[in-house]
Amino acid sequence: DIQMTQSPSFLSASVGERVTLSCRASQNINKYLDWYQQKLGEAPKLLIYNTNNLHTGIPSRFSGSGSGTDYTLTISSLQPEDVATYFCLQRNSWPRTFGGGTKLELK
Amino acid sequence: QVQLQQSGTELVKPASSVKISCKASGYTFTSNYMHWIRQQPGNGLEWIGWIYPGNGNTKYNQKFDGKATLTADKSSSTAYMQLSSLTSEDSAVYFCARGRTTLDYWGQGVMVTVSS
Repeated sequence: DIQMTQSPSFLSASVGERVTLSCRASQNINKYLDWYQQKLGEAPKLLIYNTNNLHTGIPSRFSGSGSGTDYTLTISSLQPEDVATYFCLQRNSWPRTFGGGTKLELK
Repeated sequence: QVQLQQSGTELVKPASSVKISCKASGYTFTSNYMHWIRQQPGNGLEWIGWIYPGNGNTKYNQKFDGKATLTADKSSSTAYMQLSSLTSEDSAVYFCARGRTTLDYWGQGVMVTVSS
Protein backbone atom coordinates (compact mmCIF):
# COMPACT_ATOMS: atom_id res chain seq x y z
CA ASP A 1 0.00 0.00 0.00
CA ILE A 2 1.14 3.57 -0.63
CA GLN A 3 1.84 5.40 2.62
CA MET A 4 0.81 9.03 2.80
CA THR A 5 2.58 11.23 5.35
CA GLN A 6 1.28 14.68 6.18
CA SER A 7 3.22 17.42 7.90
CA PRO A 8 2.95 19.10 10.21
CA SER A 9 0.43 17.18 12.33
CA PHE A 10 -0.63 20.42 14.03
CA LEU A 11 -0.38 23.98 12.81
CA SER A 12 -1.29 27.20 14.55
CA ALA A 13 -1.59 30.33 12.38
CA SER A 14 -3.08 33.82 12.46
CA VAL A 15 -5.97 35.19 10.43
CA GLY A 16 -4.65 36.53 7.14
CA GLU A 17 -1.52 34.40 7.24
CA ARG A 18 -0.38 32.26 4.32
CA VAL A 19 -0.47 28.59 5.32
CA THR A 20 1.22 25.63 3.64
CA LEU A 21 0.40 21.99 4.37
CA SER A 22 2.40 19.09 2.98
CA CYS A 23 1.66 15.56 1.93
CA ARG A 24 4.32 13.05 0.91
CA ALA A 25 3.67 9.69 -0.76
CA SER A 26 5.87 6.62 -0.36
CA GLN A 27 6.03 6.35 -4.16
CA ASN A 28 5.13 8.38 -7.26
CA ILE A 29 1.36 8.97 -7.39
CA ASN A 30 1.29 10.80 -10.72
CA LYS A 31 -0.61 13.83 -9.40
CA TYR A 32 -3.60 11.70 -8.36
CA LEU A 33 -3.80 13.59 -5.11
CA ASP A 34 -6.87 15.16 -3.52
CA TRP A 35 -7.27 17.39 -0.47
CA TYR A 36 -10.16 17.32 1.99
CA GLN A 37 -11.25 19.57 4.82
CA GLN A 38 -12.99 18.07 7.83
CA LYS A 39 -14.53 20.27 10.50
CA LEU A 40 -15.32 18.86 13.91
CA GLY A 41 -18.27 16.49 13.77
CA GLU A 42 -18.72 16.80 10.01
CA ALA A 43 -17.93 14.71 6.96
CA PRO A 44 -14.83 15.51 4.92
CA LYS A 45 -15.38 18.01 2.13
CA LEU A 46 -13.47 17.89 -1.15
CA LEU A 47 -11.33 20.98 -1.71
CA ILE A 48 -8.92 20.07 -4.50
CA TYR A 49 -8.63 17.11 -6.87
CA ASN A 50 -5.84 15.92 -9.12
CA THR A 51 -3.29 18.06 -7.29
CA ASN A 52 -4.42 21.52 -8.39
CA ASN A 53 -8.08 21.56 -9.48
CA LEU A 54 -10.45 23.49 -7.24
CA HIS A 55 -13.72 21.68 -6.51
CA THR A 56 -16.99 23.50 -7.17
CA GLY A 57 -17.73 26.26 -4.69
CA ILE A 58 -14.34 26.20 -2.95
CA PRO A 59 -12.84 29.66 -2.34
CA SER A 60 -9.90 30.66 -4.49
CA ARG A 61 -7.68 31.19 -1.44
CA PHE A 62 -7.18 27.40 -1.53
CA SER A 63 -4.68 26.05 -4.04
CA GLY A 64 -2.67 22.90 -4.59
CA SER A 65 0.57 21.97 -6.24
CA GLY A 66 3.07 19.17 -6.49
CA SER A 67 4.23 16.20 -8.47
CA GLY A 68 5.83 12.82 -8.00
CA THR A 69 5.79 12.12 -4.28
CA ASP A 70 5.46 15.65 -2.82
CA TYR A 71 2.30 17.74 -2.71
CA THR A 72 1.21 20.97 -1.06
CA LEU A 73 -2.04 22.63 -0.08
CA THR A 74 -1.82 26.40 0.35
CA ILE A 75 -4.29 28.75 1.95
CA SER A 76 -3.30 32.21 0.77
CA SER A 77 -4.99 34.15 3.56
CA LEU A 78 -6.25 32.12 6.51
CA GLN A 79 -9.85 32.77 7.56
CA PRO A 80 -11.51 31.78 10.86
CA GLU A 81 -13.77 29.31 9.03
CA ASP A 82 -10.69 27.41 7.80
CA VAL A 83 -10.11 25.90 11.24
CA ALA A 84 -10.33 22.18 10.51
CA THR A 85 -8.31 19.03 9.91
CA TYR A 86 -7.01 18.60 6.37
CA PHE A 87 -6.44 15.20 4.77
CA CYS A 88 -4.78 14.18 1.53
CA LEU A 89 -5.88 11.14 -0.48
CA GLN A 90 -3.95 9.29 -3.17
CA ARG A 91 -5.94 7.78 -6.06
CA ASN A 92 -3.02 6.42 -8.06
CA SER A 93 -3.41 2.87 -6.89
CA TRP A 94 -5.49 0.49 -4.79
CA PRO A 95 -6.17 0.55 -1.97
CA ARG A 96 -6.81 4.28 -1.80
CA THR A 97 -4.92 5.69 1.17
CA PHE A 98 -5.25 8.87 3.18
CA GLY A 99 -2.70 10.91 5.02
CA GLY A 100 -2.95 11.14 8.79
CA GLY A 101 -4.15 14.74 8.66
CA THR A 102 -3.01 18.21 9.65
CA LYS A 103 -5.03 19.94 12.34
CA LEU A 104 -5.13 23.67 11.67
CA GLU A 105 -6.04 26.09 14.43
CA LEU A 106 -6.01 29.84 14.96
CA LYS A 107 -3.22 31.48 16.89
CA GLN B 1 -28.13 18.79 -5.61
CA VAL B 2 -26.21 15.66 -4.71
CA GLN B 3 -27.14 14.29 -1.30
CA LEU B 4 -26.12 11.14 0.53
CA GLN B 5 -28.29 10.45 3.57
CA GLN B 6 -26.95 7.77 5.91
CA SER B 7 -28.79 5.78 8.54
CA GLY B 8 -28.58 6.48 12.25
CA THR B 9 -26.22 5.66 15.09
CA GLU B 10 -25.79 1.98 15.91
CA LEU B 11 -24.96 0.36 19.24
CA VAL B 12 -24.23 -3.32 18.67
CA LYS B 13 -22.86 -6.25 20.61
CA PRO B 14 -19.53 -7.95 19.96
CA ALA B 15 -19.65 -10.83 17.46
CA SER B 16 -22.83 -9.49 15.89
CA SER B 17 -23.39 -7.83 12.50
CA VAL B 18 -24.76 -4.48 11.46
CA LYS B 19 -26.03 -3.12 8.15
CA ILE B 20 -25.87 0.60 7.48
CA SER B 21 -27.39 2.45 4.56
CA CYS B 22 -26.67 5.41 2.32
CA LYS B 23 -29.56 6.83 0.27
CA ALA B 24 -28.51 8.84 -2.76
CA SER B 25 -30.37 11.63 -4.49
CA GLY B 26 -29.69 14.39 -6.98
CA TYR B 27 -27.72 12.29 -9.48
CA THR B 28 -27.84 9.04 -11.43
CA PHE B 29 -27.21 6.40 -8.76
CA THR B 30 -26.36 3.62 -11.20
CA SER B 31 -23.68 5.59 -13.04
CA ASN B 32 -21.42 6.45 -10.12
CA TYR B 33 -19.31 4.38 -7.78
CA MET B 34 -20.19 4.43 -4.09
CA HIS B 35 -17.23 4.23 -1.75
CA TRP B 36 -17.16 3.49 1.96
CA ILE B 37 -14.61 4.91 4.38
CA ARG B 38 -13.93 4.29 8.05
CA GLN B 39 -12.77 6.81 10.63
CA GLN B 40 -11.85 5.37 14.02
CA PRO B 41 -11.95 7.66 17.09
CA GLY B 42 -9.12 10.15 16.93
CA ASN B 43 -7.69 8.44 13.88
CA GLY B 44 -7.46 9.13 10.23
CA LEU B 45 -9.45 7.77 7.34
CA GLU B 46 -9.34 4.29 5.81
CA TRP B 47 -10.83 3.33 2.47
CA ILE B 48 -12.96 0.18 2.75
CA GLY B 49 -14.12 -0.42 -0.81
CA TRP B 50 -16.52 0.55 -3.56
CA ILE B 51 -19.60 -0.76 -5.30
CA TYR B 52 -20.82 0.16 -8.76
CA PRO B 53 -24.62 0.07 -8.44
CA GLY B 54 -25.11 -0.22 -12.18
CA ASN B 55 -23.87 -3.81 -12.23
CA GLY B 56 -23.15 -4.66 -8.60
CA ASN B 57 -19.40 -4.95 -9.08
CA THR B 58 -17.35 -4.43 -5.94
CA LYS B 59 -13.76 -3.85 -4.94
CA TYR B 60 -12.46 -4.11 -1.39
CA ASN B 61 -9.44 -3.05 0.55
CA GLN B 62 -7.84 -6.39 1.43
CA LYS B 63 -7.85 -5.29 5.07
CA PHE B 64 -11.67 -5.37 5.05
CA ASP B 65 -12.15 -8.58 3.09
CA GLY B 66 -14.53 -10.73 5.05
CA LYS B 67 -15.42 -7.84 7.36
CA ALA B 68 -17.41 -5.61 5.01
CA THR B 69 -19.96 -6.57 2.36
CA LEU B 70 -21.22 -3.90 -0.03
CA THR B 71 -24.57 -4.08 -1.80
CA ALA B 72 -26.88 -1.67 -3.59
CA ASP B 73 -30.60 -1.43 -4.35
CA LYS B 74 -31.19 0.36 -7.64
CA SER B 75 -34.93 0.69 -7.03
CA SER B 76 -34.40 2.88 -3.96
CA SER B 77 -31.00 4.39 -4.90
CA THR B 78 -29.58 3.07 -1.65
CA ALA B 79 -26.18 1.56 -0.97
CA TYR B 80 -25.56 -0.70 2.00
CA MET B 81 -22.58 -1.93 3.94
CA GLN B 82 -22.82 -4.91 6.25
CA LEU B 83 -20.10 -5.34 8.86
CA SER B 84 -19.78 -8.77 10.43
CA SER B 85 -18.09 -10.40 13.43
CA LEU B 86 -17.89 -7.05 15.13
CA THR B 87 -15.26 -6.28 17.76
CA SER B 88 -14.39 -3.13 19.65
CA GLU B 89 -11.89 -2.37 16.88
CA ASP B 90 -14.84 -1.82 14.53
CA SER B 91 -16.18 1.05 16.63
CA ALA B 92 -15.89 4.00 14.26
CA VAL B 93 -17.71 6.44 12.05
CA TYR B 94 -18.48 5.04 8.63
CA PHE B 95 -18.96 7.31 5.64
CA CYS B 96 -20.30 6.68 2.17
CA ALA B 97 -18.98 8.87 -0.63
CA ARG B 98 -19.82 9.22 -4.29
CA GLY B 99 -16.85 8.67 -6.52
CA ARG B 100 -16.54 8.23 -10.27
CA THR B 101 -12.98 9.48 -9.94
CA THR B 102 -12.50 11.47 -6.79
CA LEU B 103 -14.75 11.26 -3.72
CA ASP B 104 -16.69 14.41 -4.37
CA TYR B 105 -19.72 14.13 -2.07
CA TRP B 106 -19.93 12.41 1.29
CA GLY B 107 -22.70 11.27 3.58
CA GLN B 108 -22.87 12.63 7.11
CA GLY B 109 -21.46 9.45 8.60
CA VAL B 110 -22.80 6.70 10.86
CA MET B 111 -21.32 6.09 14.27
CA VAL B 112 -21.10 2.40 15.09
CA THR B 113 -20.28 1.50 18.67
CA VAL B 114 -19.48 -2.10 19.53
CA SER B 115 -20.04 -2.79 23.20
CA SER B 116 -21.52 -5.46 25.40
